[in-house]
Amino acid sequence: DIQLTQSPSFLSASVGDRVTITCRASQGISSYLAWYQQKPGKAPKLLIYAASTLQSGVPSRFSGSGSGTEFTLTISSLQPEDFATYYCQHAGTFGQGTKVEIK
Amino acid sequence: QVQLQESGPGLVKPSQTLSLTCTVSGGSISSGSYYWSWIRQPAGKGLEWIGRIYTSGSTNYNPSLKSRVTISVDTSKNQFSLKLSSVTAADTAVYYCARVQGGGLAPFDYWGQGTLVTVSS
Repeated sequence: DIQLTQSPSFLSASVGDRVTITCRASQGISSYLAWYQQKPGKAPKLLIYAASTLQSGVPSRFSGSGSGTEFTLTISSLQPEDFATYYCQHAGTFGQGTKVEIK
Repeated sequence: QVQLQESGPGLVKPSQTLSLTCTVSGGSISSGSYYWSWIRQPAGKGLEWIGRIYTSGSTNYNPSLKSRVTISVDTSKNQFSLKLSSVTAADTAVYYCARVQGGGLAPFDYWGQGTLVTVSS
């Protein structure tokens, strides 16, 4: 089974910071990776799919890259509404999550 | 705009069967190439995929839950359902239904709001 490992698990950042989250797959998954944002008490929201394609309506400060086994989610300038937990996903597997908190 | 809504008992006794339904609105559950999935999240923890049913009725389950899970679809009601048998406290979680459009490796593009199920006597 494919495993996804996110790093870091926790990230403290300030508004305006550039933030990068990494997701590593235990074996190659081509570009079949998605990223989600989850806020407390809410369902996850799809941000990026196919590693780098921005879901409709998602702000352009979010971007994704990578293929094979290493992927990144980047927020170019962190906004107050971006403080949340982020998950990567491939098929039936999710990463363990990265919580982004206010510094 | 597609919407998904979970429904079912919020409290289930240990050893009993958890049953949830997801009602899909804004589109037909049987048209197009969709996988209809169940995902759960224990409090303070990450997301766990439970399983899915394809438009054709074929199913796939998480191997760790496979022996206890059944997912079915009722096209006449535009609903799909989850049954999880022999539940324990470890099955206490928020349960989400979600849609995958296209192939099996496509993302979950629409989600329900989630429903909390507590397993307790």
